[in-house]
Parts: sequence; C-alpha cells; structure tokens
Amino acid sequence: GDSVTQMEGPVTLSEEAFLTINCTYTATGYPSLFWYVQYPGEGLQLLLKATKADDKGSNKGFEATYRKETTSFHLEKGSVQVSDSAVYFCALRETTNTGNQFYFGTGTSLTVIP
Amino acid sequence: NAGVTQTPKFRVLKTGQSMTLLCAQDMNHEYMYWYRQDPGMGLRLIHYSVGEGTTAKGEVPDGYNVSRLKKQNFLLGLESAAPSQTSVYFCASKPGQGYEQYFGPGTRLTVT
Repeated sequence: GDSVTQMEGPVTLSEEAFLTINCTYTATGYPSLFWYVQYPGEGLQLLLKATKADDKGSNKGFEATYRKETTSFHLEKGSVQVSDSAVYFCALRETTNTGNQFYFGTGTSLTVIP
Repeated sequence: NAGVTQTPKFRVLKTGQSMTLLCAQDMNHEYMYWYRQDPGMGLRLIHYSVGEGTTAKGEVPDGYNVSRLKKQNFLLGLESAAPSQTSVYFCASKPGQGYEQYFGPGTRLTVT
C-alpha cells in the first residue's frame, strides 16, 4: 500500500541555518505530495504542495521538489527562524475508487534556537 | 468563518464507556476525515466521507464508527472505549476538487 517515510527527529538548528527534512514515498499511482506544519497545540496547516513530477512547491521560504525518479519530496529552507519551530509532516494524496485518501509520515520536530 | 471545529477539546473515559466526537465545518466542503495522532506514528486515517450520507474505512477503523447525516458534520463514535484508543483525534475537511485539507484543533482523549 501507499506510505510515506520521513526523516526522524528531533532536529535542532541555530537561527539562519539551512534546513533539510527528507521524505520518500511509496505509491501505486501518481499521487500529489504535501508538506504540512503543526505548531504546538494546533491542528495541521498546509505548507506547500506539488501535484505532478518535477513540480516545485514553495511557501514562506520553504521549498520541495517532486522527484518521481527517486520517489522523494524533501523539504528545504535556506535560513530558518525561531518561528519555524514546529512539527513537519510529509503526506501524499492518492485517488481511489472511494475518493481521496491521504497518507502521512510520522512527523519531524524542528526546534530553532536563537 | 469558524473553519473546522471539534467538540470536546479534552475528554477522559473509563474503559468500556462510549462517547461521540463532533466535527463541524462551515466551508461547504465535500470531504471530511477523522485521524488519530500517536507519538512516533504520525497521523493515521480512521474513517472518511466523500459526501453527505457516505462513509468509508481508512487505515485504522476498528473500534470506531462514523456518521455523516449532514454535510457540515462528521461524528466519530467509540462504542466501548479501550486504553489503546488514547490519542489525539483530528478532523479535517476538503473541497471536492481541491487539494488542501483544513484541520480542526484536535481532541485529546484519554482512556483509563
């Protein structure tokens, strides 16, 4: 079945450091890929998405490129801020005959220290 | 707009008790989902609905039932709670043709 594997955390970085969180996926079809962010005590929010191979999703300085050949969707940011501290989830959306289903990775906790 | 709301925010149950979690959305979304979030396991889909009056099983449906009698509401029921159902439960909704899920704030359930 479909699944998402993402880098285990926690990750601790200094402010302005470069961030990479790895995500790979397994899917039978042609899924859409997402990164969601969860701040403490809140629900998940969509950070960025890519709907087909070679698409690049970007938002708030974060980027991820849909790589079909390596089945990957790694999240990157050039210079992190304290406000980026959160848990990041990689997810895929598969369309089945009963509708859209989403599969989430286990989440990577990021802490940015001043 | 309130977006997606969940009731209650916290609940403690004894083993064997029953309860219903309510999810409500005011965005006229077709799809609604119930997930549970456990440490080290991310979010796992329990049940979902593609429209009023429909439901479908997700990855971990056992021990839960759902109903979508009205488009704006999606109820998650636990008939006989077990300690293994201690978790944080998130509801989400999505427009029929859209990609983004909108999540509620979560319900923290403890079963003793």
